[in-house]
Amino acid sequence: AQRVTQPEKLLSVFKGAPVELKCNYSYSGSPELFWYVQYSRQRLQLLLRHISRESIKGFTADLNKGETSFHLKKPFAQEEDSAMYYCALSGDFGNEKLTFGTGTRLTIIP
Amino acid sequence: DAGVIQSPRHEVTEMGQEVTLRCKPISGHDYLFWYRQTMMRGLELLIYFNNNVPIDDSGMPEDRFSAKMPNASFSTLKIQPSEPRDSAVYFCASTSSGAFYNEQFFGPGTRLTVL
Repeated sequence: AQRVTQPEKLLSVFKGAPVELKCNYSYSGSPELFWYVQYSRQRLQLLLRHISRESIKGFTADLNKGETSFHLKKPFAQEEDSAMYYCALSGDFGNEKLTFGTGTRLTIIP
Repeated sequence: DAGVIQSPRHEVTEMGQEVTLRCKPISGHDYLFWYRQTMMRGLELLIYFNNNVPIDDSGMPEDRFSAKMPNASFSTLKIQPSEPRDSAVYFCASTSSGAFYNEQFFGPGTRLTVL
């Protein structure tokens, strides 16, 4: 069975401070990990995927297989980062099903 | 492309009534997913289809819930009879088996309130 855990439902960070949204997963195979984001009055959308090793809007996430984690990080928070963030896991390549965590609502304090 | 389309955007109904939620996926996408979003449980996958065929309905909470996909451009999620605990935001998403790492594209959601 696959499971995604986001331990923080709410997270408040001051503008300019570093941000870290935690995500841990459980999966016996080789997972694909994603972060999705939902800004206010917008649709849920893909932010980044671990396989691409990309930085989107200043955010990065590193897959740590030893700790089974995929934490989302940004060195300097901006007000426009306030949103709902979901960590998601897909099983072995070719499996389109995504398992989402419960989400973290990030609020950036001006 | 308007993206994934869902209707209605808001639905308020009374306990015991039948509720039907509708979804039109992005043209050319062969996967369609129905999710439920609540504060307590986050985003839960209810069911998904591939080429109009249900593949995994293990997330459907009980027999009161049913989903169909009669063709590639339309799907429904029905709740009969509805209960107050069904109140949530229901999302539809679609993707293509040829999409880069299967990025899912979400609709705007239907906010359901059961009184």
